[in-house]
Amino acid sequence: DSGVTQTPKHLITATGQRVTLRCSPRSGDLSVYWYQQSLDQGLQFLIQYYNGEERAKGNILERFSAQQFPDLHSELNLSSLELGDSALYFCASSVRTSGVQNEQFFGPGTRLTVL
Amino acid sequence: GIQVEQSPPDLILQEGANSTLRCNFSDSVNNLQWFHQNPWGQLINLFYIPSGTKQNGRLSATTVATERYSLLYISSSQTTDSGVYFCAVERRGGADGLTFGKGTHLIIQP
Repeated sequence: DSGVTQTPKHLITATGQRVTLRCSPRSGDLSVYWYQQSLDQGLQFLIQYYNGEERAKGNILERFSAQQFPDLHSELNLSSLELGDSALYFCASSVRTSGVQNEQFFGPGTRLTVL
Repeated sequence: GIQVEQSPPDLILQEGANSTLRCNFSDSVNNLQWFHQNPWGQLINLFYIPSGTKQNGRLSATTVATERYSLLYISSSQTTDSGVYFCAVERRGGADGLTFGKGTHLIIQP
């Protein structure tokens, strides 16, 4: 158990819908990262928050957004869902924003299926 | 962005065999991590190893940062070692999360 929690474990929804994925980081970690794992794109970085502020953006679609709350939990919002958004979404956390000694620990993931 | 290449892409071994997985990266890195993704999809941290050598039981890893590669060694393989092994790096000076390789899919047969 990494100490990172994600809910829900599974999510099945329809095209055009909007969903929210939730992540709680390890105790003491200030950074939260979101990653997407799909068959065609592999594992790719979406976005990072540090202590409530957005710090880095990767290949995140405009239909997707995220935030980190004062208690440091984070939510990833996916809207106008398409079939291609079906994937495993991981949250990770670390102590710092970047740099040395910044090991990331991953949650169990949320498997999203868009029908 | 930084490129991460893993080899081999697939590996099938008998229980008890040893294996070496390789990760090449194209730029200087702050961080390098090895993960094992089990059949249930969980990403399990194996090593945090931006440089040097570490060992944990039957697994060990070496990163030669100056030559931009890392190796993961698995000795006396067990069926529970099956899964996908990922190398991921954070580019030095970058703040763009981890960049993952495509992984090595390892199957250990009894």
